[in-house]
Amino acid sequence: DTAVSQTPKYLVTQMGNDKSIKCEQNLGHDTMYWYKQDSKKFLKIMFSYNNKELIINETVPNRFSPKSPDKAHLNLHINSLELGDSAVYFCASSHRDSYGYTFGSGTRLTVV
Amino acid sequence: QQQVKQSPQSLIVQKGGISIINCAYENTAFDYFPWYQQFPGKGPALLIAIRPDVSEKKEGRFTISFNKSAKQFSLHIMDSQPGDSATYFCAARGTSGSRLTFGEGTQLTVNP
Repeated sequence: DTAVSQTPKYLVTQMGNDKSIKCEQNLGHDTMYWYKQDSKKFLKIMFSYNNKELIINETVPNRFSPKSPDKAHLNLHINSLELGDSAVYFCASSHRDSYGYTFGSGTRLTVV
Repeated sequence: QQQVKQSPQSLIVQKGGISIINCAYENTAFDYFPWYQQFPGKGPALLIAIRPDVSEKKEGRFTISFNKSAKQFSLHIMDSQPGDSATYFCAARGTSGSRLTFGEGTQLTVNP
């Protein structure tokens, strides 16, 4: 199946821990994104990579670090997790010169 | 700065009725206006989109109306069905980059 795949789907962890979320797309897109959806469902962009190059870096704590080993993968590493990091994180992909985004199913992160 | 404002936050419609969700934008550089549909536990999925050179686009029961001078656009769902119950997001994207800016979302409930 062609898709954007995120793992894990659920992540429950304690404050202060470090965790990673992985994203892979097999759509042949050249641009990938991380969005954060808060408890009010608001979608806010965090990062965007085009062909492994960081092109959007919103104002997020530097505890969040994206890594793109190749244009089909974009991972998100979070250090020293805080309660306020609890949210659903969505990976998405697109062709830079086209407009349609394809989203993954999300990773629900709960920090306790 | 919220560049795309969406209303209402929630909407309850009877089966067979018309659902209308409105969005307003500020940035005149936006040139692509999609609507996304999100079911619980899933990522947003592209529903329908419009470019500012047309005033209306219809796909099945879903219609986007676009008013460039007022910087507003809306989604109309005709003959609303319980299966349409979901969160709907309007969004906008400019020519200068690949960023999609989302509205705050509308929780639509269609009662049987």
